[in-house]
Amino acid sequence: DQQVKQNSPSLSVQEGRISILNCDYTNSMFDYFLWYKKYPAEGPTFLISISSIKDKNEDGRFTVFLNKSAKHLSLHIVPSQPGDSAVYFCAASTSILILTGGGNKLTFGTGTQLKVEL
Amino acid sequence: DSGVTQTPKHLITATGQRVTLRCSPRSGDLSVYWYQQSLDQGLQFLIQYYNGEERAKGNILERFSAQQFPDLHSELNLSSLELGDSALYFCASSVGTVRETQYFGPGTRLLVL
Repeated sequence: DQQVKQNSPSLSVQEGRISILNCDYTNSMFDYFLWYKKYPAEGPTFLISISSIKDKNEDGRFTVFLNKSAKHLSLHIVPSQPGDSAVYFCAASTSILILTGGGNKLTFGTGTQLKVEL
Repeated sequence: DSGVTQTPKHLITATGQRVTLRCSPRSGDLSVYWYQQSLDQGLQFLIQYYNGEERAKGNILERFSAQQFPDLHSELNLSSLELGDSALYFCASSVGTVRETQYFGPGTRLLVL
């Protein structure tokens, strides 16, 4: 059962334009969400996170939006740059597990390959 | 560079064999996590250790085991290997066990022939 879904395996955007990557989740217990970026032959790199008490978090060119009622989050990259070309993973965790001593595991989506073209 | 190191980078072995993957967390991090990424899949959580003790378990096969040593490095042992165990294995670390960012190593690519 895929609790975190990234339905677009790939996305192509022109340099300077906005990239919008989407993520849906099914587990209503998730209350913390993260985006990671991954280049080939490297491990995932943390980009930005958002807690469920917020609906938006911004860090430079990256903004994450959370719509709890729709169980949907999105990552906006503005403006997109060629160096942003990578696979982007959405991940989620629940504080219930953390508070009950169950650890801090992340549940990941399958990723979206972003290509920013010149 | 995340500060998390993993060895080896690549591993080729045969079915039925046993391998050990090693991870050194970032300086100061007490939690270590292991994830598996198979072809076209997201990262699947395997297991978490905190300061030497197992803290959480995911869908880790019984043929797999892990431990975290007093110096906080961790090893993931994979035995009776099958073709389907071929994957990227990532280690991540974080300071503690509450909501902190997990920093990932470069991964070990395992190929079982």
